[in-house]
Amino acid sequence: EVELLESGGGLVQPGGSLRLSCAASGFTFSSYSMGWVRQAPGKGLEWVSSVTGSGSNTYYVDSVKGRFTISRDNSKNTLYLQISSLSAEDTAAYYCAKGGTKGNREVDSWGQGTLVTVSS
Amino acid sequence: DVVMTQSPLSLPVTLGQSASISCRSSQSLAHSDGNTYLNWYQQRPGQSPRRLLYRVSNRDSGVPDRFSGSGSGSDFTLKISRVEAEDVGVYYCMQGIQWPYTFGQGTKLEIK
Repeated sequence: EVELLESGGGLVQPGGSLRLSCAASGFTFSSYSMGWVRQAPGKGLEWVSSVTGSGSNTYYVDSVKGRFTISRDNSKNTLYLQISSLSAEDTAAYYCAKGGTKGNREVDSWGQGTLVTVSS
Repeated sequence: DVVMTQSPLSLPVTLGQSASISCRSSQSLAHSDGNTYLNWYQQRPGQSPRRLLYRVSNRDSGVPDRFSGSGSGSDFTLKISRVEAEDVGVYYCMQGIQWPYTFGQGTKLEIK
């Protein structure tokens, strides 16, 4: 059974940084694209970043380019998202997402989410 | 970016009745590989999203056959037959044709 366990969220001041982690199990981690999707309180879902199975290709939504960095350690079955220069607009639950057979085009599993709150 | 537009945004349904959600994309979701990358997700209150259908009409394991998907190009529909109390939540369509992948605004299904 696929399990995705996020951690690293919390309260951070504007301009601050955090590193989110997602520990994966139940599948061959290196064979699947992974990504991060966020959801602001009471709002809809927004793709943030995506990475291929090898880690060689990364993608970002325009609003986070230059501020967020996605990476993965396939030896540890762990996905990361380094988030910096945070503003109130980045306040959200951040979900770790596993790609399906055709990659992140069809995410098939989600973690429980980790909440990032940006506030002074 | 590809804009995904769902309707209605609120869907009150009587138990046992059917419900339909429309999802339209600003461009065709048909890929040159022959697939159409349109997925449906359910998010129950307080839970993470769960995939129901992928590539328009392929139902995920464990998803009741009351859920079905149809459509092509840029016009898609999720149908829920015989709505049950456990179906309460928000339903999202998502396109996977072009990065950034984008979701519809969500349709909140509630029981009348």
